[in-house]
Amino acid sequence: DGGITQSPKYLFRKEGQNVTLSCEQNLNHDAMYWYRQDPGQGLRLIYYSQIVNDFQKGDIAEGYSVSREKKESFPLTVTSAQKNPTAFYLCASKQGYLGSPLHFGNGTRLTVT
Amino acid sequence: GENVEQHPSTLSVQEGDSAVIKCTYSDSASNYFPWYKQELGKGPQLIIDIRSNVGEKKDQRIAVTLNKTAKHFSLHITETQPEDSAVYFCAASIGSFKTIFGAGTRLFVKA
Repeated sequence: DGGITQSPKYLFRKEGQNVTLSCEQNLNHDAMYWYRQDPGQGLRLIYYSQIVNDFQKGDIAEGYSVSREKKESFPLTVTSAQKNPTAFYLCASKQGYLGSPLHFGNGTRLTVT
Repeated sequence: GENVEQHPSTLSVQEGDSAVIKCTYSDSASNYFPWYKQELGKGPQLIIDIRSNVGEKKDQRIAVTLNKTAKHFSLHITETQPEDSAVYFCAASIGSFKTIFGAGTRLFVKA
């Protein structure tokens, strides 16, 4: 079955610790994305990557970092510099042509106390 | 900057009635308009999409219309069922990689 796998589903951390969220896809998609979703709100873009070894900041990149060393993997690190890290994080991928939809994973809920 | 406005934020309908969600986009270069359904605790899933050279598209109980002149597009769900209850997001894509999302509509279908 092709798809996007995010792990873990729930993650708990203490304030001041960095944490890395995993995202793996076996859809052979070129582009991958990280979104943040807060309760009752829409999706805000954190980072995206169009190809391996390249990525761009989205609208809310401060306090986050990413890497794209392999086509199928796009991990997101939430650093201690992120002021309000508790949120639902969604990873997505898509093919790199006009009019192709995003395919989302089932998210990781991060709670920082 | 680019923006997509979505209304209403909450919609409650009786089972069997129709539901309509409306979106407006700001960037006339937008060329692809997907709609996503998000169930509790899951990621959004594509339910229907429309390209800028098409005015209307239908898939069983779901239809989407696009008015490029007015920069409006709408989702229509007929004969609603309790399992249609979810959050729905409209989106507008510019080029191959950029997607702007609306804020979402929480749909409740009462049995």
